[in-house]
Amino acid sequence: DGGITQSPKYLFRKEGQNVTLSCEQNLNHDAMYWYRQDPGQGLRLIYYSQIVNDFQKGDIAEGYSVSREKKESFPLTVTSAQKNPTAFYLCASRTQGLDTEAFFGQGTRLTVV
Amino acid sequence: QKEVEQNSGPLSVPEGAIASLNCTYSDRGSQSFFWYRQYSGKSPELIMFIYSNGDKEDGRFTAQLNKASQYVSLLIRDSQPSDSATYLCAVNNRGGSNYKLTFGKGTLLTVNP
Repeated sequence: DGGITQSPKYLFRKEGQNVTLSCEQNLNHDAMYWYRQDPGQGLRLIYYSQIVNDFQKGDIAEGYSVSREKKESFPLTVTSAQKNPTAFYLCASRTQGLDTEAFFGQGTRLTVV
Repeated sequence: QKEVEQNSGPLSVPEGAIASLNCTYSDRGSQSFFWYRQYSGKSPELIMFIYSNGDKEDGRFTAQLNKASQYVSLLIRDSQPSDSATYLCAVNNRGGSNYKLTFGKGTLLTVNP
């Protein structure tokens, strides 16, 4: 089955640690996105990528980093510079275009302990 | 001014009524618009998209777009308790070869039996 997979579902981070969230898709989509969602809030864009080896900062990129070495994969690293990382992280992918649907993974809930 | 604004609600309607959800956007160059539904703790799922001025209907859902007023809305007819969720408006903008998908904060809808 085609889809987009995020792992892990739950992640706990100690203060000062970097952690990496995985996002893999087998939909042959060019574009991939990372969003952060806080309780009662909408989705805020962290990073997005249209092609391999290229990505752009979203609205809240500080304290995060990404890579796009393969079309299928777009991992997000939450660095120690991100002072308030506890949130629900969503990865999405879509084909290029103005009217194409974004498909979401099931999300990773990150908690700082 | 935020890029995409929605009334956070909560919006409460009785079963069988029409629910009206509104969204405004700041970038006049925005080209297409999406409505997603998100149940608590789950990923967003697409309801419908629109990119031409006017109305677009899909079953009980109607999206309305007015680009001159930078306004997009979603009407849900014959509201059901299962429609109770957060509704997210998303705006698609193209900058060069990149397609940025920006979400609003969402409107929480409660349909009362």
